[in-house]
Amino acid sequence: DQQVKQNSPSLSVQEGRISILNCDYTNSMFDYFLWYKKYPAEGPTFLISISSIKDKNEDGRFTVFLNKSAKHLSLHIVPSQPGDSAVYFCAASADNTDKLIFGTGTRLQVFP
Amino acid sequence: EPEVTQTPSHQVTQMGQEVILRCVPISNHLYFYWYRQILGQKVEFLVSFYNNEISEKSEIFDDQFSVERPDGSNFTLKIRSTKLEDSAMYFCASSEAGGLGSYEQYFGPGTRLTVT
Repeated sequence: DQQVKQNSPSLSVQEGRISILNCDYTNSMFDYFLWYKKYPAEGPTFLISISSIKDKNEDGRFTVFLNKSAKHLSLHIVPSQPGDSAVYFCAASADNTDKLIFGTGTRLQVFP
Repeated sequence: EPEVTQTPSHQVTQMGQEVILRCVPISNHLYFYWYRQILGQKVEFLVSFYNNEISEKSEIFDDQFSVERPDGSNFTLKIRSTKLEDSAMYFCASSEAGGLGSYEQYFGPGTRLTVT
């Protein structure tokens, strides 16, 4: 089941720079997308979401962009901070279900 | 800030034994979920629960699994006869609303289940 894909297993970014995490999906029924951050030995922490009727949603340092035609979304973190170092998961759901389908995650490391 | 809590943090059990994983969702939330993550794999949906009944379940959620909301605060996942392949992190989640798939789900810290 590869409905949600995060093709980059890891990303390393210098503090203060922009981090861009990418996510692709295949199911055209998905209409709600979320990003979660996960530290080791903790549960996923909700970061930001976007509905398919929008193409951008911003919350502080975090912005999510949705390109429906390309079935692609991205999470921008700017400026990146060392505390942002974690695994980031993209998740999606369709309008007839509450089930979240997760990607495999991207490990972000922000170095000084 | 309200949060989802789970107990125990780690459960070790022998194959064939029954286990109950416990969760306390956020108090004003109405929809409850269980997910699991086998080591090195994706987080997978198991079941959703609303109004005291299962609203959706995955293929993983077979007859060995059951969920219950025994009182106004707890939400439990029972595995009747554990198998080695049930070893995973089990996450409970809750959301304020649902049914249209457009509400954030908030996750607990997880219970690590080890079946020996």
